[in-house]
Amino acid sequence: GENVEQHPSTLSVQEGDSAVIKCTYSDSASNYFPWYKQELGKGPQLIIDIRSNVGEKKDQRIAVTLNKTAKHFSLHITETQPEDSAVYFCAASVVQGAQKLVFGQGTRLTINP
Amino acid sequence: DGGITQSPKYLFRKEGQNVTLSCEQNLNHDAMYWYRQDPGQGLRLIYYSQIVNDFQKGDIAEGYSVSREKKESFPLTVTSAQKNPTAFYLCASSILPRGQQPQHFGDGTRLSIL
Repeated sequence: GENVEQHPSTLSVQEGDSAVIKCTYSDSASNYFPWYKQELGKGPQLIIDIRSNVGEKKDQRIAVTLNKTAKHFSLHITETQPEDSAVYFCAASVVQGAQKLVFGQGTRLTINP
Repeated sequence: DGGITQSPKYLFRKEGQNVTLSCEQNLNHDAMYWYRQDPGQGLRLIYYSQIVNDFQKGDIAEGYSVSREKKESFPLTVTSAQKNPTAFYLCASSILPRGQQPQHFGDGTRLSIL
């Protein structure tokens, strides 16, 4: 089955700098890759997603890139702000009827003022 | 406001006791999911359901049971057979994909052992 590895597990950056989180997946049939942000005591919130027919997607300060050949995808956050501090999860799925997401282990991002 | 409501927010279980976690959605989504989250780990799929009166096991279904009698409701029972139930439980829902559609999550139930 699918396996998703996420790195780093913790990341600390200065406010205004960029942050990059990387994930690799094992199943070449995976075709949907969402990223979630989770704040303490809350459920994950979708921040951006990418489908396998697209190499890059951007939404304001957030971008995701996908390399299908290498089976990895990355989240890029530019001009980081204190409110970006949270745990971020990547996930991958093969959509066959219901969408069975497999999640990475998470990255705790801390933005230092 | 449309969304997913999980209750209770905190739940305590005694040894040998079954407990049921509630999940309700008013998004008119077809599919619903239950995940377990342990500290420092990602989410793992327990059960999912695509339509009423039908559900499938996920990766860690042992010790859990579900029902789907109504489209908007997908309760999870943690049975006494689940020997390590302490975790954060998350419910999600999505439109059945015509292509890939995102899952939306509730704010979770934290279950602890007394």
